[in-house]
Amino acid sequence: DADVTQTPRNRITKTGKRIMLECSQTKGHDRMYWYRQDPGLGLRLIYYSFDVKDINKGEISDGYSVSRQAQAKFSLSLESAIPNQTALYFCATSAFMSTDTQYFGPGTRLTVL
Amino acid sequence: RKEVEQDPGPFNVPEGATVAFNCTYSNSASQSFFWYRQDCRKEPKLLMSVYSSGNEDGRFTAQLNRASQYISLLIRDSKLSDSATYLCVVRNGGSQGNLIFGKGTKLSVKP
Repeated sequence: DADVTQTPRNRITKTGKRIMLECSQTKGHDRMYWYRQDPGLGLRLIYYSFDVKDINKGEISDGYSVSRQAQAKFSLSLESAIPNQTALYFCATSAFMSTDTQYFGPGTRLTVL
Repeated sequence: RKEVEQDPGPFNVPEGATVAFNCTYSNSASQSFFWYRQDCRKEPKLLMSVYSSGNEDGRFTAQLNRASQYISLLIRDSKLSDSATYLCVVRNGGSQGNLIFGKGTKLSVKP
């Protein structure tokens, strides 16, 4: 079984809809991250969490919110999706003492029409 | 100037060739450096860390030049399976610093 899973893997939605992307991990890591990847722009950090009670904004948090429901679960929400949020979204985890190595989930391809 | 810059490629090379990728970073206080590999439509995975003394892992050699703020990755004897996008990654700040990803360099190894 994969250590970092993301659901759904693909989603097509319409402008204005609320969308939640979920991430679960079995690695026992404290730190979790949400990134988006766009062609030509590389990976950009949306939000990150160092533990259940610690949530931080990343480079591009506007239009997104997150919830760390448990050590193993970190969800990303788009309250009112817009077309420029069409992207590939990755969740990642890292251990407290080894933040250099991040383990990524398989990604969620989101299309907002 | 972008924080981490890479030549996007693509680099099209024959099997067995040696290919080198370069990367520059703008923050002189950057602490740690890495190369990640990303296959098409897949997630990034750590390929190797980059140390000041240089380090080698099989056919892969990584070098760091702090004075020039420059990182390199050398792949010898390229295999078809090396075809992927290679991401240069830098960590700024202390242990709390987040990773900054370059846009990636695409490599295509042909038979």
